[in-house]
Amino acid sequence: NAGVTQTPKFQVLKTGQSMTLQCAQDMNHNSMYWYRQDPGMGLRLIYYSASEGTTDKGEVPNGYNVSRLNKREFSLRLESAAPSQTSVYFCASGFGRGINNSPLHFGNGTRLTVT
Amino acid sequence: ELKVEQNPLFLSMQEGKNYTIYCNYSTTSDRLYWYRQDPGKSLESLFVLLSNGAVKQEGRLMASLDTKARLSTLHITAAVHDLSATYFCAVGGSTDKLIFGTGTRLQVFP
Repeated sequence: NAGVTQTPKFQVLKTGQSMTLQCAQDMNHNSMYWYRQDPGMGLRLIYYSASEGTTDKGEVPNGYNVSRLNKREFSLRLESAAPSQTSVYFCASGFGRGINNSPLHFGNGTRLTVT
Repeated sequence: ELKVEQNPLFLSMQEGKNYTIYCNYSTTSDRLYWYRQDPGKSLESLFVLLSNGAVKQEGRLMASLDTKARLSTLHITAAVHDLSATYFCAVGGSTDKLIFGTGTRLQVFP
C-alpha cells in the first residue's frame, strides 16, 4: 500500500520554464490537495479537489493550474515558473468533509527550486 | 474567510517542563487536526478533534478543542527530546478546504 505518491522528489527549473508535479493515491480517497511549504509560513493551500471532476482555489492559487485526472490522480502545473515559486510542495488526500472526517494523508513532498 | 493563527512560532523548552501551543481560528469549524513534522519529512497526523470539549491524549501530548472560543490547545507534559519537531494545527471550513496554521517549532533540550 503506497499511500500518496509524489513525483519528482526534486526539481530545478529556470525562470519561465514549465513543469507538472504528479500525485497519485491508492486509498480510494475522494478529496485531494496541493500545499506549498515555505519557512515561517506553514502550509498554504494552492488548490484542492473535493471529488473527481471538481477543483477549487485555495489560499495561493496564482501561477498554478491543476487537473483531477481521475479519482486517483491530481496534478499541479506551473506554466511559467518564477523564483517566488521555489518551495516544497506537498500533495495530500482524504475521504472528505463529513465522511468520518479522518485526517489527510500526505505525500513525501517535491522540493522545487526556480533560478 | 477562514484564518488560522498558531503561537508561539518557536518554542525552546527544557526536558521535564510543561508547555502549551495555541491554535486560534476565525470562523465556525466542525473539525480540527494536529500534525507533527520532523525536519525534511512529511506530515504525520496526531489528533482529530470534532466536537466542543473534545480532548485527546497520546503519551505526553494532549489536545483539546473549544469551538465557542475557536481555540484548540496542544499541551506537552514533561517534555522529552523525542518531541522536538514542528507541530501544525489545521482547521476545516464549510467545504473540503483545510487551512493550516503557521506551525510551532519545538526544540527540547536537556
